[in-house]
Amino acid sequence: DAGVIQSPRHEVTEMGQEVTLRCKPISGHDYLFWYRQTMMRGLELLIYFNNNVPIDDSGMPEDRFSAKMPNASFSTLKIQPSEPRDSAVYFCASSLGRGRWSYEQYFGPGTRLTVT
Amino acid sequence: QKEVEQDPGPLSVPEGAIVSLNCTYSNSAFQYFMWYRQYSRKGPELLMYTYSSGNKEDGRFTAQVDKSSKYISLFIRDSQPSDSATYLCAMSGAGGGNKLTFGTGTQLKVEL
Repeated sequence: DAGVIQSPRHEVTEMGQEVTLRCKPISGHDYLFWYRQTMMRGLELLIYFNNNVPIDDSGMPEDRFSAKMPNASFSTLKIQPSEPRDSAVYFCASSLGRGRWSYEQYFGPGTRLTVT
Repeated sequence: QKEVEQDPGPLSVPEGAIVSLNCTYSNSAFQYFMWYRQYSRKGPELLMYTYSSGNKEDGRFTAQVDKSSKYISLFIRDSQPSDSATYLCAMSGAGGGNKLTFGTGTQLKVEL
C-alpha cells in the first residue's frame, strides 16, 4: 500500500484566496483525521470522520474552514478565504479504528501551506 | 493551560546516551498513552503505546506511565544518530483511541 497520500505537498497562496487540500486514506481504514501543526500550538486535531461521516469538528478554527469526505477514498479540507495565520503544515491521517489499532494513526507526508 | 504539556527542547545528547523524554497531563480520563516519532519534513509515526499505568519495553525503547502523578516517560537506551527526531506524546480517553490529544513534541538530536 502506498500509505496516506496528500496533495499538494506545498502550497503558496495570497491572502483571500481559496485553498483546497486533498487526502487519500489507506484502503480499508474507516477513520480519517485532519490535523494542523505549528511550532507554537503543536499538532491540533481539526476534524475526523468515521465511515465518511464527520464525527467531531470542534477543532475547526472557524467558518472559513470546511472538510468533506464524499467517499471512502477521498477527503478535502478547504480554507476560504485564506489568511496568513493559516500558514502551517496540514496532515491527514487514517486508522482502522478497531480495538488497539485505533491508536495507530497513519499520517500522510503533510501539505505545507504558506499564505502571504 | 494545555491538557498535555511537553518540553519542546531541543535536547542534544552524545551517541550511546540514555535519553529521557516526558509529558505531563491534566485530564484524569486519559487511559491510553502513545509515543509518536516524527522525522524532519515527515508525518508522525507510532512508536509505542501503553494502556493505563505501568511499563512497556520494545528493544531500546521503554515507555512508563504513572497515572497517579499524571506523568509519562519514554526512555531510549544506547541512543543512535538515527533516533534524531521530534517525539510527540499522545493520549486518549476511556472511549478509545479515535481522538488523540498530542503534546507539542520534544526535538531530540543524537550527536556522533
